Amino acid sequence: DTAVSQTPKYLVTQMGNDKSIKCEQNLGHDTMYWYKQDSKKFLKIMFSYNNKELIINETVPNRFSPKSPDKAHLNLHINSLELGDSAVYFCASVEGTPHRGTEAFFGQGTRLTVV
Amino acid sequence: SQQGEEDPQALSIQEGENATMNCSYKTSINNLQWYRQNSGRGLVHLILIRSNEREKHSGRLRVTLDTSKKSSSLLITASRAADTASYFCATGGERGGTSYGKLTFGQGTILTVHP
Repeated sequence: DTAVSQTPKYLVTQMGNDKSIKCEQNLGHDTMYWYKQDSKKFLKIMFSYNNKELIINETVPNRFSPKSPDKAHLNLHINSLELGDSAVYFCASVEGTPHRGTEAFFGQGTRLTVV
Repeated sequence: SQQGEEDPQALSIQEGENATMNCSYKTSINNLQWYRQNSGRGLVHLILIRSNEREKHSGRLRVTLDTSKKSSSLLITASRAADTASYFCATGGERGGTSYGKLTFGQGTILTVHP
């Protein structure tokens, strides 16, 4: 069973559209993240949720809205997509609070291409 | 802001040789982790070293941490073609710091091991 699963794996869409990426983890972890990896492979944190509560929001445009219906799910909705949103988006989870310093488990990524 | 700088950006070696990658960071940390990313895949955790540790081993991996120099190194001994991947260091911030509660990634080193 996949520990952290994201859907879809690939997403091609036109500018101005609204799209969602879903993430689920079956590890029983309390904390989940969204990271963005750009074309130069630089990974930057976007959001962090602990037990459905937003704890980190890294100055991401408000076109990006995360939603955590329960602690096993963290979805990312993006409004009015722009060319610069093209990237690979990774979901990740850690056990307990993020402050404990434990390993993160990553999903396979969603490659978003905005045309 | 970007926390880690990795060196070299790319490394090409022959099978059987050792590979050394370095990571420098800027702020105080709670822990430092190394991750591996195969092309088109998610990140996989390799090893975690805490700020009060200086060296850690896991199989063919050896990690060192020098908090006075704010640097870490990852050594892969007796490399194999299957080790070809990108390697990232990630730091977990210290309590009270701006990076507390999240993993901040370096730019990564692309390792190519030729058979």
